[in-house]
Amino acid sequence: EPEVTQTPSHQVTQMGQEVILRCVPISNHLYFYWYRQILGQKVEFLVSFYNNEISEKSEIFDDQFSVERPDGSNFTLKIRSTKLEDSAMYFCASRGDSGKQYFGPGTRLTVT
Amino acid sequence: GESVGLHLPTLSVQEGDNSIINCAYSNSASDYFIWYKQESGKGPQFIIDIRSNMDKRQGQRVTVLLNKTVKHLSLQIAATQPGDSAVYFCAENPPRNTPLVFGKGTRLSVIA
Repeated sequence: EPEVTQTPSHQVTQMGQEVILRCVPISNHLYFYWYRQILGQKVEFLVSFYNNEISEKSEIFDDQFSVERPDGSNFTLKIRSTKLEDSAMYFCASRGDSGKQYFGPGTRLTVT
Repeated sequence: GESVGLHLPTLSVQEGDNSIINCAYSNSASDYFIWYKQESGKGPQFIIDIRSNMDKRQGQRVTVLLNKTVKHLSLQIAATQPGDSAVYFCAENPPRNTPLVFGKGTRLSVIA
């Protein structure tokens, strides 16, 4: 069964550093998403992406965040200057026309 | 707003019993709902979905019930197994392809 993959599984970075989280969505899907989940809290929407542009973003997704689909398979989330409070699990998701969103296994980001 | 370190509701059931997990959603215009299962350290896993023109949908060992009058969803798991132990989230999809909104989650613990 096709699945969303994410790399790395765990990223440790120092405050102020840039990180890029990578995702490979399911191949025939056209809608892509990033979510985050702070430990013990619920999943929060960050951004959605369709047709090579951001379709919606939350208040969390400020100027420090950006997304890109650099080629036909990868979907990346960049945080330019990480803060301690960016420590969380980051989930990529994709969906096709059925509406079902499929999530990747997540990247655990730890900012020290 | 929510407090940091959200305490999840917990449901403990005996192996073999049926489980019922409840969720209240917020937007009366939401037209699509999904239940996800999240095991520790993993991403949300799609379980079952239902559209707003239905009251009930059955899958393998799972049933979702939708009560639009009171904005309530439930997930029923038949013959609960130890592998069902996880956090279960409902998610609602407001209209016009706006992002999924996740509920707080319920932790299901299955006692062998």
